[in-house]
Amino acid sequence: GNSVTQMEGPVTLSEEAFLTINCTYTATGYPSLFWYVQYPGEGLQLLLKATKADDKGSNKGFEATYRKETTSFHLEKGSVQVSDSAVYFCALTTYGQNFVFGPGTRLSVLP
Amino acid sequence: GAGVSQTPSNKVTEKGKYVELRCDPISGHTALYWYRQSLGQGPEFLIYFQGTGAADDSGLPNDRFFAVRPEGSVSTLKIQRTERGDSAVYLCASSLAVRDTQYFGPGTRLTVL
Repeated sequence: GNSVTQMEGPVTLSEEAFLTINCTYTATGYPSLFWYVQYPGEGLQLLLKATKADDKGSNKGFEATYRKETTSFHLEKGSVQVSDSAVYFCALTTYGQNFVFGPGTRLSVLP
Repeated sequence: GAGVSQTPSNKVTEKGKYVELRCDPISGHTALYWYRQSLGQGPEFLIYFQGTGAADDSGLPNDRFFAVRPEGSVSTLKIQRTERGDSAVYLCASSLAVRDTQYFGPGTRLTVL
């Protein structure tokens, strides 16, 4: 079956540091890949997505590239802000299958 | 426009009781999903609807859990004979079609005492 693995948190960074959160997946078929974010006290929100190999999703300074050869979709941001503190979830779906989420990675950004 | 809404936001019940959780999807979204999220975990798939029918209910943990979507819009998740292990945040999401971006509601926090 489909599965998603994320780097364990929590991740603590200083403001303006570079961020990478690793995500790798196992899927039957050809998945679409997503990053969702959950800010404190709020619901899950789509951050970015990519639907085919080599696509790059981007939003709010975050980027992730769909790498079929390494089955990865790592999330990156060049300069994090305190307001980026949240829990980040990698997820995938394949045709005819439901969404599968990773366990989430908590990011804390210190001023 | 209005997003996905869920009611109640919080529900406290006693072991053995019956509960209903409601989800109002975004208007026009044909696909509706239910997830359960335990503390420190990612959302765990329960069931999804395409229109009025349950297209995949493989995530329902046992026959105490049931969900309906009779008119293809609002959905109700029903839990019979609740157990303490059912305590979690229950999330609803909707999308225009299957595999499209899912938009999540704020969740219902269920606590079984």
